[in-house]
Amino acid sequence: GDSVTQMEGPVTLSEEAFLTINCTYTATGYPSLFWYVQYPGEGLQLLLKATKADDKGSNKGFEATYRKETTSFHLEKGSVQVSDSAVYFCALSGNAGKSTFGDGTTLTVKP
Amino acid sequence: DTEVTQTPKHLVMGMTNKKSLKCEQHMGHRAMYWYKQKAKKPPELMFVYSYEKLSINESVPSRFSPECPNSSLLNLHLHALQPEDSALYLCASSQSPEGRNYYGYTFGSGTRLTVV
Repeated sequence: GDSVTQMEGPVTLSEEAFLTINCTYTATGYPSLFWYVQYPGEGLQLLLKATKADDKGSNKGFEATYRKETTSFHLEKGSVQVSDSAVYFCALSGNAGKSTFGDGTTLTVKP
Repeated sequence: DTEVTQTPKHLVMGMTNKKSLKCEQHMGHRAMYWYKQKAKKPPELMFVYSYEKLSINESVPSRFSPECPNSSLLNLHLHALQPEDSALYLCASSQSPEGRNYYGYTFGSGTRLTVV
């Protein structure tokens, strides 16, 4: 079946540091790929998406590129802020009409 | 309107109570979902409604009963829950009612349920 593997957390960075959160997937066919963010006490928010190989999703300074050859969708941001502290989930959607989520990575940014 | 609204935000119920969670969206999305999320875990799919019909039930116990009265509303009826059912219950909607999802989900803020 489909699966998503995220780098283990938690991740702690200083403000303005570079962020990478690794995500790899296993799926049949060509899934859509997503990053969601969850702030404390809230639901998940769609951060960015990519629906085919070599697509780059971007939003709020975050980027991720759909790499079919390495089955990866790593999340990056050049300069993190304290307000980026949250839990980040990588997810895929295959043909079964439902999404598969990674375990989540908790990011803490310190001033 | 680009939101999914869930009520109530918090709910405490006894094991013999009957309660309902409500979810509403006005984005014209034809797929709606119930997820359960435990602390520090990813959301777990419970039910999927596509065009107001139940299309996926992830083997959820019958003490959870979903209902989709129309294309904008989704309810989750709760009866005889157990303490281990305490969790954040998330509703979501999507523009992709079937097959692969190209748009992602819009989630509500959730209902924090505590079963005592």
